[in-house]
Amino acid sequence: AQSVTQLDSHVSVSEGTPVLLRCNYSSSYSPSLFWYVQHPNKGLQLLLKYTSAATLVKGINGFEAEFKKSETSFHLTKPSAHMSDAAEYFCVLNAGNNRKLIWGLGTSLAVNP
Amino acid sequence: DTGVSQDPRHKITKRGQNVTFRCDPISEHNRLYWYRQTLGQGPEFLTYFQNEAQLEKSRLLSDRFSAERPKGSFSTLEIQRTEQGDSAMYLCASSRAGEPETQYFGPGTRLLVL
Repeated sequence: AQSVTQLDSHVSVSEGTPVLLRCNYSSSYSPSLFWYVQHPNKGLQLLLKYTSAATLVKGINGFEAEFKKSETSFHLTKPSAHMSDAAEYFCVLNAGNNRKLIWGLGTSLAVNP
Repeated sequence: DTGVSQDPRHKITKRGQNVTFRCDPISEHNRLYWYRQTLGQGPEFLTYFQNEAQLEKSRLLSDRFSAERPKGSFSTLEIQRTEQGDSAMYLCASSRAGEPETQYFGPGTRLLVL
């Protein structure tokens, strides 16, 4: 069975401090994994993706994620949070058939001044 | 590359009315997907097309919903006899043949059924 678990529904950080959004997955296939961000009343934007190349993936806006097969994790990090990072973040798994995406429930990131 | 566009961005309708949404994918993307997203939830898959062929439909897509992609370019999603439970954000995404696992999303159409 394919599934994605985002371990925190809400994360709150202070501006300038590191961000960690946690994601675990379960997949029978070699997974493709993604992080999408959704700002209020806006569409989903692809932050970064892992598709079986380098395990440390760099994305836009200073975000990166590391694929750890032994831990079945794909956590999203950023060294220093900015106010504009406040948004909903979704960890997403491709179900191995190149069609359907399996979505986590999302993590709401708040950045405090 | 102008990105995925959707029209309208917002739609308010009365229960029982029909509504139609349009999605224009990124040019030369052969796959097109429709999702529905309700408040506080992630997107739920509705259906997808490869070129003009509709290859999969979710159980969420009742017989009041129909989607088309007649020429393999833009797509329409029609909801007949709308119900209050249809109120949601309807998202469209597209992907290209060489990279089918990476989907690019439009801004969505927010539907409110009164």
